[in-house]
Amino acid sequence: ELKVEQNPLFLSMQEGKNYTIYCNYSTTSDRLYWYRQDPGKSLESLFVLLSNGAVKQEGRLMASLDTKARLSTLHITAAVHDLSATYFCAVQFYFGTGTSLTVIP
Amino acid sequence: NAGVTQTPKFQVLKTGQSMTLQCAQDMNHEYMSWYRQDPGMGLRLIHYSVGAGITDQGEVPNGYNVSRSTTEDFPLRLLSAAPSQTSVYFCASSWGLRGEQYFGPGTRLTVT
Repeated sequence: ELKVEQNPLFLSMQEGKNYTIYCNYSTTSDRLYWYRQDPGKSLESLFVLLSNGAVKQEGRLMASLDTKARLSTLHITAAVHDLSATYFCAVQFYFGTGTSLTVIP
Repeated sequence: NAGVTQTPKFQVLKTGQSMTLQCAQDMNHEYMSWYRQDPGMGLRLIHYSVGAGITDQGEVPNGYNVSRSTTEDFPLRLLSAAPSQTSVYFCASSWGLRGEQYFGPGTRLTVT
C-alpha cells in the first residue's frame, strides 16, 4: 500500500516569512497533487506535478517534485493571512495527513 | 455546470440505522471515489469506481456499500451505522484513475 507522509503537521508562521512543507511517498509515481482545504470546506486543487523536476508556481506558493527521491515540496514565500488553511499532498487515491498552516499577523 | 454535488450536508444517525449518502457529478468523469476525513488522519479512501457497473474497495471499506448504475451517480450506503463512522465524507470525481480530483462539498455525519 502506498503511504504518503507530510511534515510538519502544524505550522504557525508570521506574515512575511518563508517556509516549506514536505511530502514523502513510498512507491514510484510520476505525478503528485497538492490540495488546499479551508476550515469547514471542501478540497480544491492547487497544483498537479506531472514529471520529475516539475515546478509550478501560483502567487506565493511554489511546488516541486523529485520522483527519484519520492519527495515533493510546497514552498511558501512571504506568507500572508489568506494562506491560512490545511494543505494536502496526494498520490493517486492516497493523501497525506495534511499540514495545518496558520499565518499570524 | 454544478461539478460534484453531495446530499445531505449534515446528518445525525442513531447506532444501527442505515442511510445513503448521495453523490452526483455532471462532468462526465469516469472515475468516482468516496473518502472519509477524520482529524489527524487526512483522507482515507472507502470505495471507488472506474465506470458504470464497476466498483472496488479502498483502504477502509468495512461497513459501507457502493454501486454505480450511471456515470453521474455514486451513492454510498451505510448498512448499520456505528459511532466509529462519525466523520466527514467527501465524494470526488476525475477523468482518469490518476487524474486531478474534483471534490464535492462534503457530508458531516454524526452517529450517536
